[in-house]
Amino acid sequence: GAVVSQHPSWVICKSGTSVKIECRSLDFQATTMFWYRQFPKQSLMLMATSNEGSKATYEQGVEKDKFLINHASLTLSTLTVTSAHPEDSSFYICSGAGAFVGTFYEQYFGPGTRLTVT
Amino acid sequence: AQSVTQLGSHVSVSEGALVLLRCNYSSSVPPYLFWYVQYPNQGLQLLLKYTSAATLVKGINGFEAEFKKSETSFHLTKPSAHMSDAAEYFCAVSGGGNEKLTFGTGTRLTIIP
Repeated sequence: GAVVSQHPSWVICKSGTSVKIECRSLDFQATTMFWYRQFPKQSLMLMATSNEGSKATYEQGVEKDKFLINHASLTLSTLTVTSAHPEDSSFYICSGAGAFVGTFYEQYFGPGTRLTVT
Repeated sequence: AQSVTQLGSHVSVSEGALVLLRCNYSSSVPPYLFWYVQYPNQGLQLLLKYTSAATLVKGINGFEAEFKKSETSFHLTKPSAHMSDAAEYFCAVSGGGNEKLTFGTGTRLTIIP
């Protein structure tokens, strides 16, 4: 199957600073990328959907000025958490949707990035 | 809009016993249904998917699921549990195209030696 990588896998930052998380599709072109957030022992919550070259579409309740998403190429999307606070500590997972499989885009998930804000 | 409900946040089975994880869906359009597995501190791995072809879907690691429209269910089964099956399992639904996935709340599967 297609491979998606995330970098870093784990990051600690101080409150008030910004941190960038990269999501790369290694062997396919991801026309659409999704960013999810997962709190401990909870399900994945979609934060935003981004199409290459377009502005991201954020889910209701997600602050777009706090969680900046860039999808400048078909293989790279970035999520920047600006002015991070402890409540932003979470596991962030991205996925890339590539070519159609049947009548839908199959999503391939990255391994996740654990963010801890101190 | 689509949604899924996973019954049972925790399921424990003995090694070698049948695994049954329940998922019911709600969808205003013909659904595409998925089961994913997540090991600690890792991303999601696709176990299997239903895409309107055969109603009995076979996946990796010996898992399978049956789409039952009359019951709006897509339960995940495995005949004989293995210790390595211990993980979190998520059911998800999509309306197709490049629509987003909507995940259930997950079921933590514990295998008893």
